[in-house]
Amino acid sequence: DTGVSQNPRHKITKRGQNVTFRCDPISEHNRLYWYRQTLGQGPEFLTYFQNEAQLEKSRLLSDRFSAERPKGSFSTLEIQRTEQGDSAMYLCASQKDWGGQETQYFGPGTRLLVL
Amino acid sequence: AQTVTQSQPEMSVQEAETVTLSCTYDTSESDYYLFWYKQPPSRQMILVIRQEAYKQQNATENRFSVNFQKAAKSFSLKISDSQLGDAAMYFCAYRSPPGTYKYIFGTGTRLKVLA
Repeated sequence: DTGVSQNPRHKITKRGQNVTFRCDPISEHNRLYWYRQTLGQGPEFLTYFQNEAQLEKSRLLSDRFSAERPKGSFSTLEIQRTEQGDSAMYLCASQKDWGGQETQYFGPGTRLLVL
Repeated sequence: AQTVTQSQPEMSVQEAETVTLSCTYDTSESDYYLFWYKQPPSRQMILVIRQEAYKQQNATENRFSVNFQKAAKSFSLKISDSQLGDAAMYFCAYRSPPGTYKYIFGTGTRLKVLA
């Protein structure tokens, strides 16, 4: 068990560029979550996968945001035409479904700065 | 819609003393989970303690315990024998019943531990 990993850890981009983040969950964890966290706030739910199926998306996830988990393992979060308001920490978390007893494990996050 | 409120942006405690962090939530559900997460500076978020709403007994994990008042929709975290390593942001979180698995986080309480 190597924990949840996220890459890159930091990303600086110019407004209007596209960015893609990757999350590698703990192996055998079938649930995967993406969150956005801005300074001084708690994580805000963005989207959630069960295996490869994206089961829920937040209203925060505008049409510029897309997430995939093609083989039910790693996941990517893409932001198109980035805006300065997209600057935040993007967190990934995974958990194994044990019928309600599971615990979420968080990755270290990807910090995005849009100039 | 469910909400989680942490009314204490910052708390301080002397080393070896006890501190209580407050959390209230709003939901119309009867079956849900509540969590306290710790986010140390520049480190990833980890689970401190979990409480199932159907359990009347308050959860305890070593020096960490909760006071769960379901009717009042209150979920406070007590840290006993505070240590310097307890200094972090603490987030209260609510998870909806099985079927949606969506987590909602509060805005956090920054805990400072004074030597």
